[in-house]
Amino acid sequence: EIVLTQSPGTLSLSPGERATLSCRASQSVSSSYVAWYQQKPGQAPRLLIYGASSRATGIPDRFSGSGSGTDFTLTISRLEPEDFAVYYCQQYGSSITFGQGTRLEIK
Amino acid sequence: QLQLQESSPGLVKPSETLSLTCTVSGGSISSAFYYWGWIRQPPGKGLEWIGSISYSGNTYYKPSLKSRVTISVDTSKNQFSLRLSSVTAADTSVYYCARLGVQGASVHRPVDAFEIWGPGTMVTVSS
Repeated sequence: EIVLTQSPGTLSLSPGERATLSCRASQSVSSSYVAWYQQKPGQAPRLLIYGASSRATGIPDRFSGSGSGTDFTLTISRLEPEDFAVYYCQQYGSSITFGQGTRLEIK
Repeated sequence: QLQLQESSPGLVKPSETLSLTCTVSGGSISSAFYYWGWIRQPPGKGLEWIGSISYSGNTYYKPSLKSRVTISVDTSKNQFSLRLSSVTAADTSVYYCARLGVQGASVHRPVDAFEIWGPGTMVTVSS
């Protein structure tokens, strides 16, 4: 099973700042089959990025994904108040596993 | 607009079988060869994929849960279902159903990103 490790566990930033979230895989993820989700309290996760770098329908262009192999990154270029949430990465190159999440909180 | 809704059994006793149904509305479960899946999230914790199913009934399960999980599909009712046997307190979670794959993709896989989610239902295992 591919283990995904997200860092940092918690990220404290202010609106307008840039956020960089990391997801590291225990082995290479084939075809960059990595997705990112945003989850707010009491809600289901929302797909942001798939295929490591493709934005899902309706996702603002301040969200971007990059990476390959074992290292993947979600970047939020300029934080809006509604972006403060928990973010999960997922790999689907070999079965499906999720990272443990990064909490993005207001500083 | 496609929507998914989980049924809500609420409370299940230890050693019994948890049963959930996901009803798909706004589209056919048989269309475009998508896969459909179940994911769970223990309170305050992360996400865990349980398994996936095609409209024709091909199933794919998380290896560590495979011995206890059955996922089935009923195309006439536009539903798919989850059964998890021999439950313990560790199975207490919010259970989500979801559609795998992104609209417009040329290939749909049994392991994929989850584009559309149900709101989730809390299942508590307790006597």
